[in-house]
Amino acid sequence: GDSVTQMEGPVTLSEEAFLTINCTYTATGYPSLFWYVQYPGEGLQLLLKATKADDKGSNKGFEATYRKETTSFHLEKGSVQVSDSAVYFCALSDPVSGGYNKLIFGAGTRLAVHP
Amino acid sequence: EAGVAQSPRYKIIEKRQSVAFWCNPISGHATLYWYQQILGQGPKLLIQFQNNGVVDDSQLPKDRFSAERLKGVDSTLKIQPAKLEDSAVYLCASSSRGAGANYNEQFFGPGTRLTVL
Repeated sequence: GDSVTQMEGPVTLSEEAFLTINCTYTATGYPSLFWYVQYPGEGLQLLLKATKADDKGSNKGFEATYRKETTSFHLEKGSVQVSDSAVYFCALSDPVSGGYNKLIFGAGTRLAVHP
Repeated sequence: EAGVAQSPRYKIIEKRQSVAFWCNPISGHATLYWYQQILGQGPKLLIQFQNNGVVDDSQLPKDRFSAERLKGVDSTLKIQPAKLEDSAVYLCASSSRGAGANYNEQFFGPGTRLTVL
């Protein structure tokens, strides 16, 4: 079945460092891909998305490019801030095998940014 | 616009007891989802409603879990009897629609953290 694999955390960075969180997926059809973020004490929020190959999603300085050839959707940010400390989830929605708007999540990667 | 509301935020029970969680989705959202998020894992869909009908409950442990959405608005998820492995955060989400080829954004509530002792 469909699945999402993302790098284990925690990832610990200094402020203004470059961030990469790796995400790869397995899907039957042509999924849409997402990054969700969960700040402490809050619900999941959609950070960015890409719906087809070579699309780049971006928001709040974060970017991710849908790479069909490598089945990847890595999250990047050029300069992280302390306020970016959170748990980041990669997810997919596959209308072929999942249907009905179903989301499949990776295990999450905790990011800690220190001053 | 008000977000997805959930209550309670925290619940501690002993094994074999019963527990219920409540969710009120964003006004006008036809689709409602319940997810289970075990510590260290990503959320897993338990059940999805379209209005007041179930469209996916394939991962709901039906021997102990039940959910309803009687009037197509708010929803209740119940566990009876609870087991130790049910300790998790239970997330509710809603979207304006749930069918079709194009993904429709899900909006999540803050979750209910359940501890089973």
